[in-house]
Amino acid sequence: GAVVSQHPSWVICKSGTSVKIECRSLDFQATTMFWYRQFPKQSLMLMATSNEGSKATYEQGVEKDKFLINHASLTLSTLTVTSAHPEDSSFYICSAPRPQTQETQYFGPGTRLLVL
Amino acid sequence: AQSVTQPDIHITVSEGASLELRCNYSYGATPYLFWYVQSPGQGLQLLLKYFSGDTLVQGIKGFEAEFKRSQSSFNLRKPSVHWSDAAEYFCAVGEWGAQKLVFGQGTRLTINP
Repeated sequence: GAVVSQHPSWVICKSGTSVKIECRSLDFQATTMFWYRQFPKQSLMLMATSNEGSKATYEQGVEKDKFLINHASLTLSTLTVTSAHPEDSSFYICSAPRPQTQETQYFGPGTRLLVL
Repeated sequence: AQSVTQPDIHITVSEGASLELRCNYSYGATPYLFWYVQSPGQGLQLLLKYFSGDTLVQGIKGFEAEFKRSQSSFNLRKPSVHWSDAAEYFCAVGEWGAQKLVFGQGTRLTINP
């Protein structure tokens, strides 16, 4: 079945540094991917829609200069947290829709980011 | 804008007991509704979904959910829970099908032996 992977699974960084998170669709192509953020014991909040070959679409309140999204190919989207601060510490999850259907999203296992 | 409410933050049931997790949604049109389960260290797994048709939908792992338009609800049920069902459960409503999902706050399920 379709699988979405994320790398790294967890990362610790110093405040002020940038961190890149990769989201890959392993056996299918995804022209669209979604990035979510989940705070501890809270729900998932959609951050942005990643579009292959064009700019990402950000949800209201999400800083596009802080969270850079690049959909470089039909199987890879990256989220870069620039100049990370402790408040950016969170669980970041990506998803991709099942090909030829709008009925199912496949979710990656998530990346836990801790900014010291 | 669509929204999802899961009134119960945490539920504890005994193994073998029945389970019902509540979900209420707000959406202007016919909603696309989903239940996902999240276990520690694992990605979200789809339990079941409702798009149209029969309002009682069957999912994986013995779960079912019933869509009630009059109550704007999509409650998840299981007749007999197993210890492996302990996890976080999320109800979600989708814009354009499964695209751009809006999630509820989640319900953490604990199973007593």
